Amino acid sequence: KNQVEQSPQSLIILEGKNCTLQCNYTVSPFSNLRWYKQDTGRGPVSLTIMTFSENTKSNGRYTATLDADTKQSSLHITASQLSDSASYICVVSPYYGNNRLAFGKGNQVVVIP
Amino acid sequence: GAVVSQHPSRVICKSGTSVKIECRSLDFQATTMFWYRQFPKQSLMLMATSNEGSKATYEQGVEKDKFLINHASLTLSTLTVTSAHPEDSSFYICSARGGKTNEKLFFGSGTQLSVL
Repeated sequence: KNQVEQSPQSLIILEGKNCTLQCNYTVSPFSNLRWYKQDTGRGPVSLTIMTFSENTKSNGRYTATLDADTKQSSLHITASQLSDSASYICVVSPYYGNNRLAFGKGNQVVVIP
Repeated sequence: GAVVSQHPSRVICKSGTSVKIECRSLDFQATTMFWYRQFPKQSLMLMATSNEGSKATYEQGVEKDKFLINHASLTLSTLTVTSAHPEDSSFYICSARGGKTNEKLFFGSGTQLSVL
């Protein structure tokens, strides 16, 4: 079973609308949780990073939240733009097992005009 | 600007040739570098993990003699696909991790390898 589960697998939203992506993880204890945006044919680009003690982190129209008790994180996209069409990947770094990062399979977002 | 530089971004080669992909951390020392492979519309698949100055640790099913990884310095790692075949065609991505608490984790822009 994957240690990081993301949902929904894919979604289509209208330009200008908001959306929320979910990341549930089982990695425990963990060092930090990151959200990345990956455009097709490009490498992932960092959006946010949160340690276990942080609840929220914003980067422009992207806001990530973290609930370490329920082991859930979300990424909220506000006022979506066509350029937000991408895959959003949740990555959890365990506190131990220093090298082993846990990746989600990504949320595929398509923004349509 | 990019903090991890990956080159080349695209390479087309004949079957049987070897291809080298470079991954450089530009403004931090990367104690660990990771190499991934990604097929269209699939998630990143970890191939190997390398720590500076030591041998890479390969994931199950990844041939170490096929995918040679060198991490000779804290800013450079290379992946060499030896005797490439069409089934090696894929998108290869590196990432570099460093910082005092390993808080820095950045990805390269990827290399699209096409083997004819």
